[in-house]
Amino acid sequence: EDQVTQSPEALRLQEGESSSLNCSYTVSGLRGLFWYRQDPGKGPEFLFTLYSAGEEKEKERLKATLTKKESFLHITAPKPEDSATYLCAVQGSSNTGKLIFGQGTTLQVKP
Amino acid sequence: DVKVTQSSRYLVKRTGEKVFLECVQDMDHENMFWYRQDPGLGLRLIYFSYDVKMKEKGDIPEGYSVSREKKERFSLILESASTNQTSMYLCASSPYRQGIYGYTFGSGTRLTVV
Repeated sequence: EDQVTQSPEALRLQEGESSSLNCSYTVSGLRGLFWYRQDPGKGPEFLFTLYSAGEEKEKERLKATLTKKESFLHITAPKPEDSATYLCAVQGSSNTGKLIFGQGTTLQVKP
Repeated sequence: DVKVTQSSRYLVKRTGEKVFLECVQDMDHENMFWYRQDPGLGLRLIYFSYDVKMKEKGDIPEGYSVSREKKERFSLILESASTNQTSMYLCASSPYRQGIYGYTFGSGTRLTVV
C-alpha cells in the first residue's frame, strides 16, 4: 500500500532561520511527487512536481529535492508570509490518476 | 489558469438534512475528486470520477454519494447529514487519468452540521 509520512507535524522558526521539511514515502513505482502549500481556510496550492531521484526544483525561498525514499522541502531565510501548512503527495503506478497525501507540516515563522 | 470553483465557502446545516456541495472546473479536466480534511487526519478521499457518469469510491465513502452528469461538474451529496460530517470539504481536478498530473484544488467548503 502506498504511504506518505511527513515530519515534523509542526515547526516553529524565527524569521531568517533556515530549515527543512521531510516527506518519506513508500510507493510501488513512483511516477511523481508533489508539494503543495495550504493557507488556513483555503485549498492547497501547487508548488512543485518532482519525477525522479536527484531532481531539484526551486521557487523563491523554497527548494524541493527528491531521493528514492524521501523528499525534502528546504526553506531558506523564511519570512512570516511563508507560514502555512505544506503537503506532500505521491502518484504511484498502482494509483493512476490519484494522489496519496501526507498529513502535512504546519510551519509558523515568527518575526 | 485552471479554476476549480466550489459553490459555498461556509455552510451550516441541520442533522438529517440532505446537503449538496457543488464543484465546477473550467478547463475540460477528465478527473475530479472530493476530499474531506480534518485536523490530525489529513486529506481523505471520499469519491472520485475519471469521466462523465463514472464514479469510484475512495477511502471513506460511507454517508456520501456523488453525481457527475456533466464533465465540468462534480457534486457531493450528504444523504442525511450528521454531526460527524462537520469538516472542510475540498474538490480537486486533474487533466487525465493517464500521465503524471497534480491536482488543482478549489478553495474549500467549511461545512458545519448542527
